[in-house]
Amino acid sequence: AQSVAQPEDQVNVAEGNPLTVKCTYSVSGNPYLFWYVQYPNRGLQFLLKYITGDNLVKGSYGFEAEFNKSQTSFHLKKPSALVSDSALYFCAVRPRYDYKLSFGAGTTVTVRA
Amino acid sequence: DSGVTQTPKHLITATGQRVTLRCSPRSGDLSVYWYQQSLDQGLQFLIQYYNGEERAKGNILERFSAQQFPDLHSELNLSSLELGDSALYFCASSVEALGDTEAFFGQGTRLTVV
Repeated sequence: AQSVAQPEDQVNVAEGNPLTVKCTYSVSGNPYLFWYVQYPNRGLQFLLKYITGDNLVKGSYGFEAEFNKSQTSFHLKKPSALVSDSALYFCAVRPRYDYKLSFGAGTTVTVRA
Repeated sequence: DSGVTQTPKHLITATGQRVTLRCSPRSGDLSVYWYQQSLDQGLQFLIQYYNGEERAKGNILERFSAQQFPDLHSELNLSSLELGDSALYFCASSVEALGDTEAFFGQGTRLTVV
């Protein structure tokens, strides 16, 4: 069975500081990994994905994510957070030979001015 | 705008009733997913279709059913509604059912059961 864990319900950072949102997964083989962001009363927006190759993936709005196979993690990062980054962030995983796209519980990010 | 259209945006109905939620995928996308988002359950995968055929099933109740039509739009039918079915229902679409293509989400339908 596949699962995705986001160990932190909330992350609070000051504007201009680095932001990290954690994600670990439990899937056999080498899955595809995704990050999405959800703003209030909106649908989820795709940020970035890991397919293969370079462990550091760059995405939209200055976000990047680091894939670590040995730790089965795919943490989302942003070097300098903005107040407008305050939102709900979801990690998602799909096994390479499966249809199901599963999401973590989400992490609420609050960036204070 | 993701290109995925969901209607209606809001729906208020009484317990025991039946509703239909509609989703039009992005142009060219063959795969449609349905998710339920509630405060206590997070984002739960319900079901996925690809080109009219069911491909994956998640935690979908027997009272719920879905289908994808030849024009690729999809409908999620919820019957014998209970208070606990109140949630935000999302549809997403992608080009393929497998693989590394990301899914694009609609704005959701907020269902309130009273």
